[in-house]
Amino acid sequence: DAKTTQPTSMDCAEGRAANLPCNHSTISGNEYVYWYRQIHSQGPQYIIHGLKNNETNEMASLIITEDRKSSTLILPHATLRDTAVYYCIVRGYNQGGKLIFGQGTELSVKP
Amino acid sequence: NAGVMQNPRHLVRRRGQEARLRCSPMKGHSHVYWYRQLPEEGLKFMVYLQKENIIDESGMPKERFSAEFPKEGPSILRIQQVVRGDSAAYFCASSPLPQRESSYNSPLHFGNGTRLTVT
Repeated sequence: DAKTTQPTSMDCAEGRAANLPCNHSTISGNEYVYWYRQIHSQGPQYIIHGLKNNETNEMASLIITEDRKSSTLILPHATLRDTAVYYCIVRGYNQGGKLIFGQGTELSVKP
Repeated sequence: NAGVMQNPRHLVRRRGQEARLRCSPMKGHSHVYWYRQLPEEGLKFMVYLQKENIIDESGMPKERFSAEFPKEGPSILRIQQVVRGDSAAYFCASSPLPQRESSYNSPLHFGNGTRLTVT
């Protein structure tokens, strides 16, 4: 299974960009990189996903390196409500299509 | 569009009782996943169901736990003879597509969970 490595915790100042890194050096060619977040024990919230190209939506941007061994989730203007645990997940055939959650990064946005 | 609905939000059971957790997927979704999150731990996959079929139950405890997703009505996660170690948050997610390569591009959407407390 392609595993992911994320920092345990990060801080970010309110209004600044939050850049959350993820390593997935064993990712296979047909596996997607997904990002979810969990705010204070609510249900996981889908943020964004990608295969090879960089992606952007109303919540965030996802930058995937050319060799696909790592990625960065960017929250362009973090707010206090973005304080959450962020999960980077590799999803594909090797995982049976399931989302397998690791420990994630605990992001604290500070005023 | 209504999201994934789970009920009850909170459930308290005494040891030995049965717990029934319900999940109504998003409209048009016929695939349901159940996850469990023990206190201070990560989310663990339990089971994946289509309508009337269990597809993957590799994460289900071998005893006391069962899941169903009938043709009509919500998916049910049933825990018989609950013990204190079953206290956790149980999350349901849904998807419109079956698990195959073409569907990995379609995200799962989660409900807000049922918090089970066993006293």
